[in-house]
Amino acid sequence: DIQLTQSPSFLSASVGDRVTITCRASQAISSYLAWYQQKPGQAPKLLIYAASTLQSGVPSRFSGSGSGTEFTLTISRLQPEDFATYYCQQLYTNPLTFGGGTKVEIK
Amino acid sequence: QVQLVQSGAEVKKPGSSVKVSCKASGGTFSTYTFSWVRQAPGQGLEWMGKIIPIFDTTYYAQKFQGRVTITADKSTSTAYMELRSLRSDDTAVYYCAKEDNISYQHDSWGQGTLVTVSS
Repeated sequence: DIQLTQSPSFLSASVGDRVTITCRASQAISSYLAWYQQKPGQAPKLLIYAASTLQSGVPSRFSGSGSGTEFTLTISRLQPEDFATYYCQQLYTNPLTFGGGTKVEIK
Repeated sequence: QVQLVQSGAEVKKPGSSVKVSCKASGGTFSTYTFSWVRQAPGQGLEWMGKIIPIFDTTYYAQKFQGRVTITADKSTSTAYMELRSLRSDDTAVYYCAKEDNISYQHDSWGQGTLVTVSS
């Protein structure tokens, strides 16, 4: 199975900060990577797919980059509604594994 | 936009089985792929398996092989996930999700079904 390692697992940031989350794959997955946002009590919400394509309706302050084994999710200017947990998922091969998550909290 | 509506919360005894449903609307059911993902309390997301209704093909994560069965009823546009031999560590919220046909991301999710396993 492909392992995804997210870092950091937790980060504390302020409104307006630029935030970067990294996801590393245990083997090359081309650009078959998605990012999700999850708030407490809610289902995950798709933010980015194909490593860098913004899902329709998602604010442009979210961006994704990378290919192969290293990927990043960047939030350019953190907003109050962005405090949540973020997960990456590889879509290259079954099983479609998730990273362990990054919880973004208010500093 | 496909909408996914799941069945309600369940409380089960250890050793029993649970079957969760996921009814899709707003699209062509048989052409999609549906995954099941679970989340134990306070934990991350765990992919369990998926079904491609048009081919009746399933894939399961090794961890759940032999204990999970994912099916689909094309006549009612409903996907199902049955988990057997339940243990306390199967207590989780179970989500169904639709997979995009090109890039495979999960672009629609059900609201989740809490399954509690307790004696």
